[in-house]
Amino acid sequence: EDKVVQSPLSLVVHEGDTVTLNCSYEVTNFRSLLWYKQEKKAPTFLFMLTSSGIEKKSGRLSSILDKKELSSILNITATQTGDSAIYLCAGSGGSNYKLTFGKGTLLTVNP
Amino acid sequence: DAGVIQSPRHEVTEMGQEVTLRCKPISGHNSLFWYRQTMMRGLELLIYFNNNVPIDDSGMPEDRFSAKMPNASFSTLKIQPSEPRDSAVYFCASSEGIVLDTQYFGPGTRLTVL
Repeated sequence: EDKVVQSPLSLVVHEGDTVTLNCSYEVTNFRSLLWYKQEKKAPTFLFMLTSSGIEKKSGRLSSILDKKELSSILNITATQTGDSAIYLCAGSGGSNYKLTFGKGTLLTVNP
Repeated sequence: DAGVIQSPRHEVTEMGQEVTLRCKPISGHNSLFWYRQTMMRGLELLIYFNNNVPIDDSGMPEDRFSAKMPNASFSTLKIQPSEPRDSAVYFCASSEGIVLDTQYFGPGTRLTVL
């Protein structure tokens, strides 16, 4: 059975700090890894990573995939209170095209 | 585009009642996914459709759960009879095609079964 594990489960930082969220996966016939941000409502898409070692960047957020280590990290620099959310990681693979989600990391950014 | 639309946004019902959740995917998307999210288990895929056909329903917890997609713009998830352990947030998501992976989520239905 496919598995995605995120760490830490929760994190509290101060505005301006840099954070790194971790995701490891065991996905049969891996195809891609996705990051989502979930505030009070639905998860919203951040990144999709398919190639190892290539960083994807969007403003203060960036993510990279390491296929050798079966892992990915999500970095957020100069955090703001608006970054407070649950960050979800999901792996996709195999012939059934399912996304397997991790339990998420709850990030709280205090002013 | 309005995004994925779900209704109702909140549902409170009593044990044993039938519950129907509704979803309208983004126009032009031909894959639709139903998820359930709880604190204990996180986000779990229940079932997904491609071109209105159910492809994988292995995540449906038991026979009390059923899902249909009668056309490209509408899907329902039904629970009959409902139980307190079904209380969760149910999300519908859609994507342009299975291979593209990126799924766009609706706002969810928060279900409480008393």
